[in-house]
Amino acid sequence: GAVVSQHPSWVICKSGTSVKIECRSLDFQATTMFWYRQFPKQSLMLMATSNEGSKATYEQGVEKDKFLINHASLTLSTLTVTSAHPEDSSFYICSAPRGSSSYNEQFFGPGTRLTVL
Amino acid sequence: SQQGEEDPQALSIQEGENATMNCSYKTSINNLQWYRQNSGRGLVHLILIRSNEREKHSGRLRVTLDTSKKSSSLLITASRAADTASYFCATNDYKLSFGAGTTVTVRA
Repeated sequence: GAVVSQHPSWVICKSGTSVKIECRSLDFQATTMFWYRQFPKQSLMLMATSNEGSKATYEQGVEKDKFLINHASLTLSTLTVTSAHPEDSSFYICSAPRGSSSYNEQFFGPGTRLTVL
Repeated sequence: SQQGEEDPQALSIQEGENATMNCSYKTSINNLQWYRQNSGRGLVHLILIRSNEREKHSGRLRVTLDTSKKSSSLLITASRAADTASYFCATNDYKLSFGAGTTVTVRA
């Protein structure tokens, strides 16, 4: 099956710093990628839809200036958590749909665990 | 927003037994998908069932969908210790909305 990678797999940073997380589709092109956040023992919450060549679409309640998304190519989307605070500590997961339709199954990255001290 | 609700929240069974979990949702869907997540890892796609399908099988997995009741079930037959994981349903209306998940523990 298709492979989606994330980098880094974990990161620890100081409060106030910015952290960039990369999501790559390794063997297919993805015009759309999705970013989720998952708190311990909870479900995945969609944060935003990343669109190649255009602005990301953010879910209600997600600050676009805090979570910057750049989908610079058909295989790479990045999420930058700006001025991170301890409450931003979470598991961030990206996904990309098989083929060109977001109605298809999604391939998920392995996730990035962010800890903000 | 979270659309799917899963039941039960947690399930503990003996190896070899079957595990059944249910998912209810609120609005109309294009399809419903089931995913598995091992602790601290990404999600693995299990089955996609379209709104015009009623039942689907994949190996030891059986999924049903009742659009009139807005519910779906996932059955894992002859469970193994490796099936220990959290299972999520996700409704798909262009983007996925995940349920709260069912944590399944299979005891050896």
